[in-house]
Amino acid sequence: GAGVSQSPSNKVTEKGKDVELRCDPISGHTALYWYRQSLGQGLEFLIYFQGNSAPDKSGLPSDRFSAERTGGSVSTLTIQRTQQEDSAVYLCASSYLPGQSYSSNQPQHFGDGTRLSIL
Amino acid sequence: GDSVTQMEGPVTLSEEAFLTINCTYTATGYPSLFWYVQYPGEGLQLLLKATKADDKGSNKGFEATYRKETTSFHLEKGSVQVSDSAVYFCALRGTYKYIFGTGTRLKVLA
Repeated sequence: GAGVSQSPSNKVTEKGKDVELRCDPISGHTALYWYRQSLGQGLEFLIYFQGNSAPDKSGLPSDRFSAERTGGSVSTLTIQRTQQEDSAVYLCASSYLPGQSYSSNQPQHFGDGTRLSIL
Repeated sequence: GDSVTQMEGPVTLSEEAFLTINCTYTATGYPSLFWYVQYPGEGLQLLLKATKADDKGSNKGFEATYRKETTSFHLEKGSVQVSDSAVYFCALRGTYKYIFGTGTRLKVLA
């Protein structure tokens, strides 16, 4: 079946430009996560969406970063006025978390990521 | 807060060698534990998981046992192959957030 799809796979842009990264989660997955993976670093949590609940934005590094999830499915991560330190791989993951119970043994399914390079 | 600590790499082994990648965690409650693998140019894939103490997760010859007494979830494989070369991430899940270790790069030489 279809996995998590991210686009574009690579993005090169000039400093100061805005970028939009897209994530299509697995159909039926209620939870969606964005992470940032910098060279040689682990995964840095950015934001979490679950159903119609307010998203957990606690990981967004600055107000230049924002994300939305329309219709409980596709998500877009937007970075405004990009800086060179924003260069990284941005990973999206989805998971099935039914109802109000946080079923803790459901794994995340990751997309292949978007490699963002800021010149 | 919750955290995951895993051994730093890179780890370089010869084919058929025994592999151990250490992972310890700090968490309130009883998190689920995971190992993810990232092959070059790809996203993360779930390798194995364990949801309660003494559970053993296994997949593709890899194993890890959830040790509550030592708060550890070490990854082992008896005989590595060149195709196992990748970055391995240990992770825990508390309520809904996943906490990842920094990853350990494994390079297996033929």
